[in-house]
Amino acid sequence: GDSVTQMEGPVTLSEEAFLTINCTYTATGYPSLFWYVQYPGEGLQLLLKATKADDKGSNKGFEATYRKETTSFHLEKGSVQVSDSAVYFCALSGNTGNQFYFGTGTSLTVIP
Amino acid sequence: KAGVTQTPRYLIKTRGQQVTLSCSPISGHRSVSWYQQTPGQGLQFLFEYFSETQRNKGNFPGRFSGRQFSNSRSEMNVSTLELGDSALYLCASSLDGFIDTQYFGPGTRLTVL
Repeated sequence: GDSVTQMEGPVTLSEEAFLTINCTYTATGYPSLFWYVQYPGEGLQLLLKATKADDKGSNKGFEATYRKETTSFHLEKGSVQVSDSAVYFCALSGNTGNQFYFGTGTSLTVIP
Repeated sequence: KAGVTQTPRYLIKTRGQQVTLSCSPISGHRSVSWYQQTPGQGLQFLFEYFSETQRNKGNFPGRFSGRQFSNSRSEMNVSTLELGDSALYLCASSLDGFIDTQYFGPGTRLTVL
């Protein structure tokens, strides 16, 4: 079945460092891919999404490109800030639209 | 526009009891989904309701049930609570299901003693 595999955490970075969180997926057809972020004590917020191959989603300095050839959707940010400290979830929606799968989440801590 | 609201935010119950959680979606959204979040299993899909009908279901036992009202508000019920049901229960709403962006509420933290 469909699934998402996400880089294990936790990840600790210094402010202004480069961030990559790996995400790969298994799915039939052409799923839509998402990154959600969960700040402490809050629900999940959509960070960015891509609905077809080679699409790049971007928001708040974060980017991810839908790579069908490598079945990946890695999250990147060139210069992280302390306020980016949160848990990041990769997710996919199957092309039949009847299921939504999350990765296990990657906790990011950015230190000044 | 008001976001997704969930009530109550915190609940403490004992084994064997039942519990009902409530979710009010964003105005105009017809799809409501429920998820269980635990440290060990991560986020797991429970079910999705659309126009008062359960449209999709995850792999949870029948003790977990839900319903949706004509105003799109949704409730989730867990009967005969077990210790392992302790979790954060998240509700998400969207215009038309998983193809659309899902907007999450803050969750209800359920503790089963």
